Amino acid sequence: RKEVEQDPGPFNVPEGATVAFNCTYSNSASQSFFWYRQDCRKEPKLLMSVYSSGNEDGRFTAQLNRASQYISLLIRDSKLSDSATYLCVVTFNQAGTALIFGKGTTLSVSS
Amino acid sequence: NAGVTQTPKFQVLKTGQSMTLQCAQDMNHNSMYWYRQDPGMGLRLIYYSASEGTTDKGEVPNGYNVSRLNKREFSLRLESAAPSQTSVYFCASRKDSPLHFGNGTRLTVT
Repeated sequence: RKEVEQDPGPFNVPEGATVAFNCTYSNSASQSFFWYRQDCRKEPKLLMSVYSSGNEDGRFTAQLNRASQYISLLIRDSKLSDSATYLCVVTFNQAGTALIFGKGTTLSVSS
Repeated sequence: NAGVTQTPKFQVLKTGQSMTLQCAQDMNHNSMYWYRQDPGMGLRLIYYSASEGTTDKGEVPNGYNVSRLNKREFSLRLESAAPSQTSVYFCASRKDSPLHFGNGTRLTVT
């Protein structure tokens, strides 16, 4: 079983829709959590960090549930430009130096 | 600042050949990483170096070796390339921050 599991996708939604992705992790000692975005054939780029109390950045909201060991990403009012693959990232070791990626969830927003 | 620089961008190898992928960062980051990405597999951690002088295995280290030459440079070596190592390789670095990635190296082993 992979250390970090994500919703299989793909998610195909119309513009303006709200979409949510979940990600579960197996290591209860994991300390840091991130969502990255990757466009086709490009390097991943940080979308947002995930904090214990939850955090919001414009149309994007990230939440962490330590008890159930999952994080989530909510995208409101989807835009065409949100079409990409979203990657969940979790620190794997106690020192927080090893970062493990989920397989990613593909989002396609259509007009 | 150039950020994280990887070379080469593209490479074709024959089975059994060896090569080294180079990575350098100019952000004074302590930690450096090598990932590979295959279709439908996300990014998988090959090796990482938490600080200069240390290296550790990640999820898929077999068939690879690494060298943390100094704080700036972290190289990945394939001693005897196999078709299963055809992939896109990403180098990344960080210091108490999210990962910063290079542009990737597309490697094909025939």
